[in-house]
Amino acid sequence: DGGITQSPKYLFRKEGQNVTLSCEQNLNHDAMYWYRQDPGQGLRLIYYSQIVNDFQKGDIAEGYSVSREKKESFPLTVTSAQKNPTAFYLCASSRHGGPGNTIYFGEGSWLTVV
Amino acid sequence: EDQVTQSPEALRLQEGESSSLNCSYTVSGLRGLFWYRQDPGKGPEFLFTLYSAGEEKEKERLKATLTKKESFLHITAPKPEDSATYLCAVSLQETSGSRLTFGEGTQLTVNP
Repeated sequence: DGGITQSPKYLFRKEGQNVTLSCEQNLNHDAMYWYRQDPGQGLRLIYYSQIVNDFQKGDIAEGYSVSREKKESFPLTVTSAQKNPTAFYLCASSRHGGPGNTIYFGEGSWLTVV
Repeated sequence: EDQVTQSPEALRLQEGESSSLNCSYTVSGLRGLFWYRQDPGKGPEFLFTLYSAGEEKEKERLKATLTKKESFLHITAPKPEDSATYLCAVSLQETSGSRLTFGEGTQLTVNP
């Protein structure tokens, strides 16, 4: 089945560690996105990529990094510089990167700092 | 500043009791308004996209409408399985990316 796969579903990070969340899509979509969701708040955009080997910062990029070496993959690294990383992370994709394109989401990854 | 506001924050209905959720927006250059359904611990599930004022879309018990300032998600004769958080988002006329700006959602509970 076509879709967006995020892994792991649950991840625990120690203080000072970097962790990487995986996102793979087999929808042949050009654009991919990472959002963060905190309880009681709306989704906030971290990074997005319209094409391979290109990506842009979203509204809350500080403390995060991404890469887009393959069309299917858009991993997110949460670095030790991110002071409050505990949240629900959502990867998404759209057929094209232009405005108005429908964005589809994966099932999400929970990150907890221990 | 572009804003998306959803109301109410939470809504409790009895099974079969129809109601509407509101999404108001103050943005310039709207390129699309999106409705999603999100179950606890899951990613948002796409429901509808509306592109212009006057447009309506339906899916089972749900109907979404759009005006120049707001969108409504009408729920007719809801069932307990319609319980979820409903998210509204807008796509703006920007030169880069299909960025979505989200509201904070309406948590709907339908009691049997």
